[in-house]
Amino acid sequence: GAGVSQSPSNKVTEKGKDVELRCDPISGHTALYWYRQRLGQGLEFLIYFQGNSAPDKSGLPSDRFSAERTGESVSTLTIQRTQQEDSAVYLCASRPTGGNYGYTFGSGTRLTVV
Amino acid sequence: GQNIDQPTEMTATEGAIVQINCTYQTSGFNGLFWYQQHAGEAPTFLSYNVLDGLEEKGRFSSFLSRSKGYSYLLLKELQMKDSASYLCAVRGLIEGNYQLIWGAGTKLIIKP
Repeated sequence: GAGVSQSPSNKVTEKGKDVELRCDPISGHTALYWYRQRLGQGLEFLIYFQGNSAPDKSGLPSDRFSAERTGESVSTLTIQRTQQEDSAVYLCASRPTGGNYGYTFGSGTRLTVV
Repeated sequence: GQNIDQPTEMTATEGAIVQINCTYQTSGFNGLFWYQQHAGEAPTFLSYNVLDGLEEKGRFSSFLSRSKGYSYLLLKELQMKDSASYLCAVRGLIEGNYQLIWGAGTKLIIKP
């Protein structure tokens, strides 16, 4: 597509439930990133996919967080047994291989755990 | 450790000039980015510096000094729509891989 698409835009869930967030990157962008942004704070790196290479999961805060991406297509970020501390905006960004520019962000998913 | 510092908030007047500073300490360096983020929206790319000096792009300019670990974003002829957060991000080495390390952002408030 023309831009990075994320869904849902907003999600309210009860503590303890699982949620799945979706990111559809720009066609042809091999690199895909997930970030978390808490209110008034900077971007916190979660996970990075580059083509068919093994993902860099070093930013995932706990084993409740996981993400998948098949090839260069859609990615899903799953949070199991959600906690109130998981409330944040989850941003996805993609860029072409080798590009120093072009981190294009989606509009994010605002997750609220009640 | 890795550290990106920028002021939390700045206020400026419409039509004026404002300079937003960013200092960084990272393991390795492979470029510095500035992004603009309006409230409730995704960050959008403004500028990229990898060599020392000034990059000018319309009303916005970005400067880098690698030896000082310092950058600034200069906004001229401020408009009300420039009210936003400005994020500084450095591509540094984390566990052998280059990743973007983000500052917390500077909230810029433009007053008439």
